[in-house]
Amino acid sequence: GAGVSQTPSNKVTEKGKYVELRCDPISGHTALYWYRQSLGQGPEFLIYFQGTGAADDSGLPNDRFFAVRPEGSVSTLKIQRTERGDSAVYLCASSVQGLAGNEQFFGPGTRLTVL
Amino acid sequence: SQQGEEDPQALSIQEGENATMNCSYKTSINNLQWYRQNSGRGLVHLILIRSNEREKHSGRLRVTLDTSKKSSSLLITASRAADTASYFCATDAGGAQKLVFGQGTRLTINP
Repeated sequence: GAGVSQTPSNKVTEKGKYVELRCDPISGHTALYWYRQSLGQGPEFLIYFQGTGAADDSGLPNDRFFAVRPEGSVSTLKIQRTERGDSAVYLCASSVQGLAGNEQFFGPGTRLTVL
Repeated sequence: SQQGEEDPQALSIQEGENATMNCSYKTSINNLQWYRQNSGRGLVHLILIRSNEREKHSGRLRVTLDTSKKSSSLLITASRAADTASYFCATDAGGAQKLVFGQGTRLTINP
């Protein structure tokens, strides 16, 4: 079956612009996660959705970052007024349920470059 | 912030040799997972070990967990060129749904 997909695969933008990154989870997975990975580092948690609601947004670095999942499936991560420090690979993952220990299935990521 | 530290940061061995990677973490956990990442993109789940387990096997992979030392190790036996990747440990940081990753070990298998 289809895995987690993310679009675009690469995004280049200019400082100050607004960007949207999309994640399509595995069908039937109720839990969806966003992580950010800087070069040479492990992924860092941003936000977790259980269904349509953000169950944990403690990893969002500031109020320029926002994510939605209006119908409990596709999610969009939105970054306003992008900064060069936002450049990273943004990874999305989904799991059957948001239970600790459930395997998370990752998408290929979106590489964001802010010039 | 990162939960743990992996060591070594980089490891280069010959095909056929065994590769051992270590992970240490800071807080109590319910389980620990290992993931593999090729070319800096999507991660693939390898194995999960629960806090009440000490050792687990899956194919050529062997994972150990020592909760008293807050550490885990991943052993890949009879390595192959296709095992070249970055390997990350990840914990649930005390039962949270999110994963907290270490910084990873970059493994290179030389043919």
